[in-house]
Amino acid sequence: DIRMTQSPTSLAASVGDRVTITCRASQDIHYGLSWLQQKPGKAPKSLIFGATSLQSGVPSRFSGSSYETDFNFTISSLQPEDFALYYCLQYDSYPPSFGGGTRIEIK
Amino acid sequence: EVHLVESGGLLVQPGGSLRLSCTASGFIFSDYWMHWVRQVPGKGLQWVSRISNDGSDVTYAESVKGRFTFSRDNAKNTVNLHMSSLRVEDTAVYYCARGAHKSHGNYYVGYWGQGTLVVVS
Repeated sequence: DIRMTQSPTSLAASVGDRVTITCRASQDIHYGLSWLQQKPGKAPKSLIFGATSLQSGVPSRFSGSSYETDFNFTISSLQPEDFALYYCLQYDSYPPSFGGGTRIEIK
Repeated sequence: EVHLVESGGLLVQPGGSLRLSCTASGFIFSDYWMHWVRQVPGKGLQWVSRISNDGSDVTYAESVKGRFTFSRDNAKNTVNLHMSSLRVEDTAVYYCARGAHKSHGNYYVGYWGQGTLVVVS
């Protein structure tokens, strides 16, 4: 099974900050990675797929990048509504697996 | 707009059975793979199962294999997850989710329902 190691577990930031979250895959996942946002009591929402492609309707301050088995998720200018939990998901192969999550909190 | 509504979550005793349902709208249901993903309250996400657009191909997480059965009815735009031999560790919010288009074979999970809580106690 592919293991997704996500870091950091949490981070505190201010509105307007640039923040980056990383997921490292234990083996090649061929860009089969998405980033999800989850707010308290709500279902996850997919923001990015294919490592770098923005879902329709998702603001352009969100972006994804990749290098080999390392995947980054960046919010260029944090907005109040962005304080939430974020997960990566590898969907390249069975079984699909999630990172442990990153909580972005208000500093 | 893609809309997924789960139902069927309940309190059930260990060893018991339960059926979850999910009704979809806003897209051509028979063109997409579908998934169940679960989340223990306050914890991370765990993939449970996936079914192909025509129901012929189903895969399960090892932790539920042999106990859960995933099916779909394309005429009713619904999927069902029949869970048996339930364990305390199956307690979670169960999300129905839309997967990839039938032309893709990966395990992509795109749109999520709001979830239904299953408590095994």
